[in-house]
Amino acid sequence: GNSVTQMEGPVTLSEEAFLTINCTYTATGYPSLFWYVQYPGEGLQLLLKATKADDKGSNKGFEATYRKETTSFHLEKGSVQVSDSAVYFCALRMSETSGSRLTFGEGTQLTVNP
Amino acid sequence: KAGVTQTPRYLIKTRGQQVTLSCSPISGHRSVSWYQQTPGQGLQFLFEYFSETQRNKGNFPGRFSGRQFSNSRSEMNVSTLELGDSALYLCDSGQGTVATNEKLFFGSGTQLSVL
Repeated sequence: GNSVTQMEGPVTLSEEAFLTINCTYTATGYPSLFWYVQYPGEGLQLLLKATKADDKGSNKGFEATYRKETTSFHLEKGSVQVSDSAVYFCALRMSETSGSRLTFGEGTQLTVNP
Repeated sequence: KAGVTQTPRYLIKTRGQQVTLSCSPISGHRSVSWYQQTPGQGLQFLFEYFSETQRNKGNFPGRFSGRQFSNSRSEMNVSTLELGDSALYLCDSGQGTVATNEKLFFGSGTQLSVL
């Protein structure tokens, strides 16, 4: 079946540090890939997405590139802020076979200290 | 445009009881999916409804059921509650197309505690 694996967390950084959160996937076919963010006490918000190989998703300084050859979709940000502290989820979707169903990774807790 | 509304926000039940959660999607959206979020299992897909029909189902026991109404609002029901059902239940809504770039919107969730 389809699955998503994220780097083990939690991750603690100082403000303005570089962020990488690793994400790899296993899928039969060509999934769409997503990063969602969850702030305390809230639901999930879409951060960025990519729908085909070599696509780069970007939003709010975050970037991730769909790498088919390594089945990866690593999240990066050049300079994190305290307000980026949240839980980040990598996810995939096989729209043609599974409709709107998302398969999520375990989530990575990011804490940014001032 | 109103977002996805989940009610109630918090719920406390005891073992053996049953519970019904509600999700009102964004106006015009016809697809609603439900997820269970727990610290141990993460986010797990429960089911998806589209135009009042269940389109996908995850690997949960039959105690978990759902339905969707003609106005696209969805309810999920859990019967004979167990302690392990304590979780944050999230729903999302979308237009329900198979387009790869379809955007899904999540509600804030219902936090269920089973005592």
